[in-house]
Amino acid sequence: EVVLTQSPGSLSLSPGERATLSCRASQSVSSNYLAWYQQRPGQAPRLLIYGASSRATGIPDRFSGSGSGTDFTLTISRLEPEDFAVYYCQQYGSSPRTFGQGTKVEIK
Amino acid sequence: EVQLLESGGGLVQPGGSLRLSCAASGFTFSNYAMSWVRQAPGKGLEWVSDISNSGGSTYYADSVKGRFTISRDNSKNTLYLQMNSLRAEDTAVYYCAKDLNWNFVRVYFDYWGQGTLVTVSS
Repeated sequence: EVVLTQSPGSLSLSPGERATLSCRASQSVSSNYLAWYQQRPGQAPRLLIYGASSRATGIPDRFSGSGSGTDFTLTISRLEPEDFAVYYCQQYGSSPRTFGQGTKVEIK
Repeated sequence: EVQLLESGGGLVQPGGSLRLSCAASGFTFSNYAMSWVRQAPGKGLEWVSDISNSGGSTYYADSVKGRFTISRDNSKNTLYLQMNSLRAEDTAVYYCAKDLNWNFVRVYFDYWGQGTLVTVSS
């Protein structure tokens, strides 16, 4: 199975700053089938990005995804208070679909 | 508006059984594959099981294969997860998730329920 490794494990930033989250796959992700989800405390995950770079419906344009092959990035251009959460990447190009271990974005 | 509402969680002893349900609304349930994903306390997300729109195809994580059974009733817009021979390591919040289309191959989860907590403990 494809193992996804997210880095860093946590990120301490202030509102208005830029956040850069990394997701590295153990093998090439087929067709860049890579998604990002946000999970706020006590809430269910929410789809942010699919296909490595396409924003889901209703997702603000401060969220952007990039990358291909084995290296992917989620960038939040200017952190808003509601963006402090845990972010997970997921590959869906091969079975089983797998998740990274998550990156927690904390308020500094 | 898509809504997924899980129920059926609770405290169960090791070796026991539990059946989770997920009531779906706001979309044509019979057109979409569905999945279960779990999250142990303080941990990350772990995919558990998939079922195609008709129920004809199912898929399980190795960690639950032979113990859990996924099913659906399209007439009731409801997804199920029958969990037998439960272990302490099955303790988690269980989320149902909607797949993007009729099959669960090469698609992502576009909607998630709020989850139901399963605690396996004596």
